[in-house]
Amino acid sequence: KAGVTQTPRYLIKTRGQQVTLSCSPISGHRSVSWYQQTPGQGLQFLFEYFSETQRNKGNFPGRFSGRQFSNSRSEMNVSTLELGDSALYLCASSLALGGGPSDTQYFGPGTRLTVL
Amino acid sequence: GDSVTQMEGPVTLSEEAFLTINCTYTATGYPSLFWYVQYPGEGLQLLLKATKADDKGSNKGFEATYRKETTSFHLEKGSVQVSDSAVYFCALFRWSLNTGNQFYFGTGTSLTVIP
Repeated sequence: KAGVTQTPRYLIKTRGQQVTLSCSPISGHRSVSWYQQTPGQGLQFLFEYFSETQRNKGNFPGRFSGRQFSNSRSEMNVSTLELGDSALYLCASSLALGGGPSDTQYFGPGTRLTVL
Repeated sequence: GDSVTQMEGPVTLSEEAFLTINCTYTATGYPSLFWYVQYPGEGLQLLLKATKADDKGSNKGFEATYRKETTSFHLEKGSVQVSDSAVYFCALFRWSLNTGNQFYFGTGTSLTVIP
């Protein structure tokens, strides 16, 4: 079974631009979460999507948004990029909302975003 | 609210040494507890998990026991190898159909094993 895939793996943008990152979950997984990882702040939860609906959101400004498609694939968008948005963005998938003890979150390799 | 506190690093050990990385949590009820490992340039990989009190998760020689009385989930390995050098994350997951799943990660502990 293929794992979580993320595209692109690396991205370089300039301040003020916007960016869209893509995530394909493990087949059969319906919940997708996004995280931002930086050396200073560690791993921070951005949001979770299930059945094309945002179910939870972390403490990030409105410039960070996402969506999920009917096939469970997800995209996240960051508008008006700032230097501080440079980070590794990780996507993770799990079976379901309220998946319970048998469920687990599996991570993709991440997209390394550099903002110049 | 829920939270995870993880031992600060970095940790440097000689090959074949015993490893302990401390992790404590704050939570009500019975969340699931996890250890993930991250190698340079990669995403997080699931190392082991435990879903209820006194459960022991184990994988690749690593072990951790879900201790409700001490609210801990310490990671241990009896004999580390150079290939174990990575960053280790303790995590708490609360699965909820009503409020949405909630995931809390520790700050990560960097481990370097020297030959």
